[in-house]
Amino acid sequence: QQPVQSPQAVILREGEDAVINCSSSKALYSVHWYRQKHGEAPVFLMILLKGGEQKGHDKISASFNEKKQQSSLYLTASQLSYSGTYFCGTATGGGNKLTFGTGTQLKVEL
Amino acid sequence: NAGVTQTPKFQVLKTGQSMTLQCAQDMNHEYMSWYRQDPGMGLRLIHYSVGAGITDQGEVPNGYNVSRSTTEDFPLRLLSAAPSQTSVYFCASRGRHTDTQYFGPGTRLTVL
Repeated sequence: QQPVQSPQAVILREGEDAVINCSSSKALYSVHWYRQKHGEAPVFLMILLKGGEQKGHDKISASFNEKKQQSSLYLTASQLSYSGTYFCGTATGGGNKLTFGTGTQLKVEL
Repeated sequence: NAGVTQTPKFQVLKTGQSMTLQCAQDMNHEYMSWYRQDPGMGLRLIHYSVGAGITDQGEVPNGYNVSRSTTEDFPLRLLSAAPSQTSVYFCASRGRHTDTQYFGPGTRLTVL
């Protein structure tokens, strides 16, 4: 069963913050975040393993709440380059068998 | 390094035809996967492999076959193409002890 992402779409002004959520009905081993620009391949952002960790680089970070089977992606001080569709992929075990959400379309405007 | 390469970039088939989508990686990655992406559906896993000689089914395997005879190559075969297989196909690879999964540029397939 696919994880559920919210919101489905969001429009930001440059410099604003956004949060994208990913929820699963299954017990998760890991959550993977990707960004895809129109007509391009998805690009890996980060992976979070069970244990409730938080990760981040630059102005993009993420958390994983193992009890709620939920992950959130935080984008702060958004830039035009952040525009794209963000996908979470979830795994219930080790290895690389991922189930992806349907994506969140993010558009950053001047 | 070329990373993950896919051929062809575009393909048009008639219903009932068969074809093979090629995928290769030069990073010595153990894990390789095939996904299809349809509008509003996100990425759906077709087949995946954890190493040469080992493959397993993903979420939507029907109508597709794979094999992994070498670490580098992971071809996807469409046995008898159907219009429902019109999609963008992505191949991806990842090392067993690394986090980053790399995607190929994709193959846009249309079945008439």
